[in-house]
Amino acid sequence: EVQLVESGGALVQPGGSLRLSCVASGFSFSSYWMTWVRQAPGKGLEWVGNIKQDGSERYYGASVKGRFTMSRDNANNSLFLQMNTLRVEDTAAYYCARHTGASYDSWGQGTLVTVSS
Amino acid sequence: QSALTQPASVSGSPGQSITISCTGTSSDVGNYNLVSWYQQHPGKAPKLMIYDVSKRPSGVPDRFSGSKSGNTASLTISGLQAEDEADYYCSSFAGTHWAFGGGTKLTVL
Repeated sequence: EVQLVESGGALVQPGGSLRLSCVASGFSFSSYWMTWVRQAPGKGLEWVGNIKQDGSERYYGASVKGRFTMSRDNANNSLFLQMNTLRVEDTAAYYCARHTGASYDSWGQGTLVTVSS
Repeated sequence: QSALTQPASVSGSPGQSITISCTGTSSDVGNYNLVSWYQQHPGKAPKLMIYDVSKRPSGVPDRFSGSKSGNTASLTISGLQAEDEADYYCSSFAGTHWAFGGGTKLTVL
C-alpha cells in the first residue's frame, strides 16, 4: 500500500523558516516525480512545486519561487520542503503527493503550517 | 500563473447527473490533454478521480467521467450518491507549471 506521511508543520513567525518532511513507503520512491501542494484554510488547492526522480530538476509556483526549496533523499524515501522568509499567506496545510504521468495519484494526510506573530 | 475557473457550487438529487466545468486557456487546458480531477471530503486529503482528461484510476466508479472541448474540461457524475458530496478540483499542466481550479462544492440534495 502506498503511504505518504508528512511532518514538520508548526506555528512560525513571519520571516521565519521551517522544513517539512514527507516519508514514502509501499512503492519505489526513487522512480517517481514528487510534488508539494498546499491548501490555505477554507481555500482551494495550490501547486507548490515538483521534483524529478533524481532531484536534478525542480519547478516551483510563482508565489514560492526563491523562498522555498524542494529536495529528496532517495536512500531514505524522503521528500523535503525548506521554507524560508515565510509570510502570513503561506499559512496552509501542505500535502506531498506522488506524481504519476500528469496527475497526483497518492497523497499524504497533510501537515499544517501557521505563519503568525 | 492563473487558476482555472470552476463554478463555486453545484447540486443534484440522488440518481441524477451533474457536470462540473473547468475553464482554462489555450496555454493550459486547451493545449494539453493533461487534465485531472480530484475529490476532497472535509478534513481529508484529495483523491484522484480522473486523469488525462477522461481516464479513471482503478477503483473509481464508472459513474465518474471526464471530457474536454477547447479550453474547457468537464467532470460528469451520473447516478449521484450521497457519498459523492464533496469538493472537486480540476488541474491542468500549463507548460511551465501546474494549475488548479478554485474548486466546486457538490451538494447532494
